Amino acid sequence: EAQVTQNPRYLITVTGKKLTVTCSQNMNHEYMSWYRQDPGLGLRQIYYSMNVEVTDKGDVPEGYKVSRKEKRNFPLILESPSPNQTSLYFCASSPQGARNTIYFGEGSWLTVV
Amino acid sequence: AQSVTQLGSHVSVSEGALVLLRCNYSSSVPPYLFWYVQYPNQGLQLLLKYTTGATLVKGINGFEAEFKKSETSFHLTKPSAHMSDAAEYFCAVSGGSNYKLTFGKGTLLTVNP
Repeated sequence: EAQVTQNPRYLITVTGKKLTVTCSQNMNHEYMSWYRQDPGLGLRQIYYSMNVEVTDKGDVPEGYKVSRKEKRNFPLILESPSPNQTSLYFCASSPQGARNTIYFGEGSWLTVV
Repeated sequence: AQSVTQLGSHVSVSEGALVLLRCNYSSSVPPYLFWYVQYPNQGLQLLLKYTTGATLVKGINGFEAEFKKSETSFHLTKPSAHMSDAAEYFCAVSGGSNYKLTFGKGTLLTVNP
């Protein structure tokens, strides 16, 4: 089954404790992206990757890092999480960029206390 | 620059009534336009998209949208609402670049029996 898989789906963590949210897609897509969803703000792009080893900042990259060492994986790293990073996070992928149909993971609920 | 405005954060309709969700966009170049739906506790999935050509676009579950360049609008409609349509709907635009999809803040659709 074609899918984007994120882990963990739910996490409560403490301020400053590094964490990684993994994302994997099995559709051989070139493009991957991370979004955060907050009430009343919709989805905002954190980082994107057009291809392996090519990543760039989206609208809200502060406090996040990503890497794209292989096509299928695009982990999101919070080096020192803060409470304002409490949010619902979505990983997404598409064949070639934002103009193609984008496929979303089921989301990761992250709470930083 | 590109942006999306969804008019109405919450729309409530009766079962069987017309559904109309409004979306206006801004783009410096001919846009690619999308409607995504998010059911509770799920990721987003594509309802329909406009790229080029026919301005009336049909999507899944009986939804359709019309691209009106003169009005910079891409409103979503469905002739008869069903209880299963209750969800949050997001309009999105991809304009001059192929790496960025900008979402509106979403419209929560409630369907009353």
